[in-house]
Amino acid sequence: GNSVTQMEGPVTLSEEAFLTINCTYTATGYPSLFWYVQYPGEGLQLLLKATKADDKGSNKGFEATYRKETTSFHLEKGSVQVSDSAVYFCALSWNNYQLIWGAGTKLIIKP
Amino acid sequence: SAVISQKPSRDICQRGTSLTIQCQVDSQVTMMFWYRQQPGQSLTLIATANQGSEATYESGFVIDKFPISRPNLTFSTLTVSNMSPEDSSIYLCSGAMMDNYGYTFGSGTRLTVV
Repeated sequence: GNSVTQMEGPVTLSEEAFLTINCTYTATGYPSLFWYVQYPGEGLQLLLKATKADDKGSNKGFEATYRKETTSFHLEKGSVQVSDSAVYFCALSWNNYQLIWGAGTKLIIKP
Repeated sequence: SAVISQKPSRDICQRGTSLTIQCQVDSQVTMMFWYRQQPGQSLTLIATANQGSEATYESGFVIDKFPISRPNLTFSTLTVSNMSPEDSSIYLCSGAMMDNYGYTFGSGTRLTVV
């Protein structure tokens, strides 16, 4: 069946460090891939998405590339800020519109 | 993208009572979903709310405990019935657009059962 695996947290970095949060998936066919972010005490917000192989989603300095050959959708940012501290969820959707969620990765950025 | 208004944002309820959570979308969405999120954990899908018909429940969730309504393409409710402390959680609604790319979430309802 479809599934999403993302790296365990918490991930703790210093401000201006490079960020990578790994996400791999298992799916039949060609799912759409998403990164959602949940700031403390808030709901989920779509961060970026990619709908086909080799697509790159980007937003707020974050990027992720849909790699079908490695079934991955790793989230990256070149220079993180304290305000990026949040929980990040990788997810995929298939033709039934349901989202399959990763477990979430808590990111802590220290000044 | 669509905007979902969810209410209440939080509530503290007595065990044995019921709470109805509402989600209003500012545009028509193909699908609506209800999730539960325990603190520090990922989302668990409760059910898919189907317009004009009974919701489709995931394993471990039943209609008697979590009745759902979706009278039209912009509105849905989830009721948490006969609550116990184990029902304390964050409940989230989500809407999916026709093109399968636009999933939007409500801001969540933080429920505490005492």
